[in-house]
Amino acid sequence: GIQVEQSPPDLILQEGANSTLRCNFSDSVNNLQWFHQNPWGQLINLFYIPSGTKQNGRLSATTVATERYSLLYISSSQTTDSGVYFCAVEGSNYQLIWGAGTKLIIKP
Amino acid sequence: NAGVTQTPKFHILKTGQSMTLQCAQDMNHGYMSWYRQDPGMGLRLIYYSAAAGTTDKEVPNGYNVSRLNTEDFPLRLVSAAPSQTSVYLCASTPGTSNEQYFGPGTRLTVT
Repeated sequence: GIQVEQSPPDLILQEGANSTLRCNFSDSVNNLQWFHQNPWGQLINLFYIPSGTKQNGRLSATTVATERYSLLYISSSQTTDSGVYFCAVEGSNYQLIWGAGTKLIIKP
Repeated sequence: NAGVTQTPKFHILKTGQSMTLQCAQDMNHGYMSWYRQDPGMGLRLIYYSAAAGTTDKEVPNGYNVSRLNTEDFPLRLVSAAPSQTSVYLCASTPGTSNEQYFGPGTRLTVT
């Protein structure tokens, strides 16, 4: 089956720093989503991005489907950005396959 | 819209007891899913339903699901085991895409 790898597994930054999170996948996928899980466990859908680039405020994402990776950029980090960021890809059977996540800690 | 709601938020069960985790959505989404999330790991799909009245996947041992209507998607633990200690997350998806919307989760401990 499709493998999804996220890097780095952990990231600690000072408030105001920029960061790039990566998601690699091992086969062609129908779609890709980025999620943020806050420290209270709520999962929020950030981007639904099969290809190309999308931006939402300080966050943006780029997926290069032909090279099987996606990047999530966070600019001017805030403490509220802390949590775990998950990448999930949609395989041929429309099921989501999840990466293990990147745990981000933003220090004030 | 309330989105996806789940109850209870927390629960402790003893081995062998049964309980039902509730999930409801008010967005008229056809597709609903149950996941479990264990510490330090991503989400693992337990079961999904493509529409009310349908069962689309073999239900894993220890669980029972039903989808009598579009809004509700309860997950029943038949005879709880410590291995079922986890955070259970419910999600719904519109028919036009696979974009998932999650509930707040139920943190379940089986002692």
